[in-house]
Amino acid sequence: SQQGEEDPQALSIQEGENATMNCSYKTSINNLQWYRQNSGRGLVHLILIRSNEREKHSGRLRVTLDTSKKSSSLLITASRAADTASYFCATAKIQGAQKLVFGQGTRLTINP
Amino acid sequence: DTEVTQTPKHLVMGMTNKKSLKCEQHMGHRAMYWYKQKAKKPPELMFVYSYEKLSINESVPSRFSPECPNSSLLNLHLHALQPEDSALYLCASSQDLRSSYNEQFFGPGTRLTVL
Repeated sequence: SQQGEEDPQALSIQEGENATMNCSYKTSINNLQWYRQNSGRGLVHLILIRSNEREKHSGRLRVTLDTSKKSSSLLITASRAADTASYFCATAKIQGAQKLVFGQGTRLTINP
Repeated sequence: DTEVTQTPKHLVMGMTNKKSLKCEQHMGHRAMYWYKQKAKKPPELMFVYSYEKLSINESVPSRFSPECPNSSLLNLHLHALQPEDSALYLCASSQDLRSSYNEQFFGPGTRLTVL
């Protein structure tokens, strides 16, 4: 069964605006990761947040994790056209932590 | 070198053909993965290798046969595929499976079309 569900499924914003994507999951996790995928290409790891962490930053990215609500959000600030891509959350369970289960993804379009 | 390479980039095959997908990494990673991704869907795990041994098989049909000849190489042998097997096949690697906090590095994928 799909562990992570993301919303929105698609998001279109103007360059310079902030983009927020949300991910919800069902079972307890060891960590949650965010990946970016440009059209038809491989995935690129963006950030990993452990279950005992609440917030993490990397450049223009900010990730939050609320284990009580089983949800995470990815914020991209000051968006650029190059940020246009699909973004996936992936959860690693406590048991079998090496197995990532990906959410459905959010397709982000940054309009110039 | 932080790259995972995959060949070929594109593959068209008939249902009676036998073909292989190849994946290579030189990061010293000891865990390697195969994923299948259909259009506008998330990647789905197929196989995981740890130290050249098959660790996870996600109930994948036997027409897909993985092989890990050494720590840098991962193959996926294809035989008697169906049109519904057409997808992007992604290879990934991570440092090892002993830590659960490892990011996975993905290759660009092989776009497979089964006629």
